[in-house]
Amino acid sequence: AQTVTQSQPEMSVQEAETVTLSCTYDTSESDYYLFWYKQPPSRQMILVIRQEAYKQQNATENRFSVNFQKAAKSFSLKISDSQLGDAAMYFCAFNSYGSSNTGKLIFGQGTTLQVKP
Amino acid sequence: DSGVTQTPKHLITATGQRVTLRCSPRSGDLSVYWYQQSLDQGLQFLIQYYNGEERAKGNILERFSAQQFPDLHSELNLSSLELGDSALYFCASSVEWWGPDTQYFGPGTRLTVL
Repeated sequence: AQTVTQSQPEMSVQEAETVTLSCTYDTSESDYYLFWYKQPPSRQMILVIRQEAYKQQNATENRFSVNFQKAAKSFSLKISDSQLGDAAMYFCAFNSYGSSNTGKLIFGQGTTLQVKP
Repeated sequence: DSGVTQTPKHLITATGQRVTLRCSPRSGDLSVYWYQQSLDQGLQFLIQYYNGEERAKGNILERFSAQQFPDLHSELNLSSLELGDSALYFCASSVEWWGPDTQYFGPGTRLTVL
């Protein structure tokens, strides 16, 4: 069974600083996608960034970037120049489309990020 | 605004009752997913429909059922409700049925079972 683990229940960062959220996953599949979703206090789930497993280049979206280490099955999210609006719960998610043949997402437990002014 | 709508936003009911949650996907999206977010279980996939057909099933209880209608909206039916069914239920939609396609989430329905 595939699992996603976020070992940091809570993190905090000073405004304008950089923070890294960790995520590890377990799978025997070779074809999969990884995602980071943000859930602010409004509870809306917002896609932050995604990474295709077959791509060696790490994905980047403005201030958000990932460090994808396929051999180590690690997928961390780096937030640069943190802003107050980044405060939220962040979920790492996995989809193995190779064998499961669906788009269902498997989520980690989440990391609550606090941004201090 | 993701373009996915869910009704109602909040639902308070009693144990043993039955409720229906409704989801309208983004225009053009054929795939609908249902997820449950609870304090003890986290975010869990329940079921997926694609163009009216069930595509995948997760840890969905037998008391729960869903369907997708010809106009592509979906309903999640929860029956014989228990206290432990209290959770936030999300609907998400995507164009296709498989992994790389981005899923857009609705605002969720908060279910409270008393």
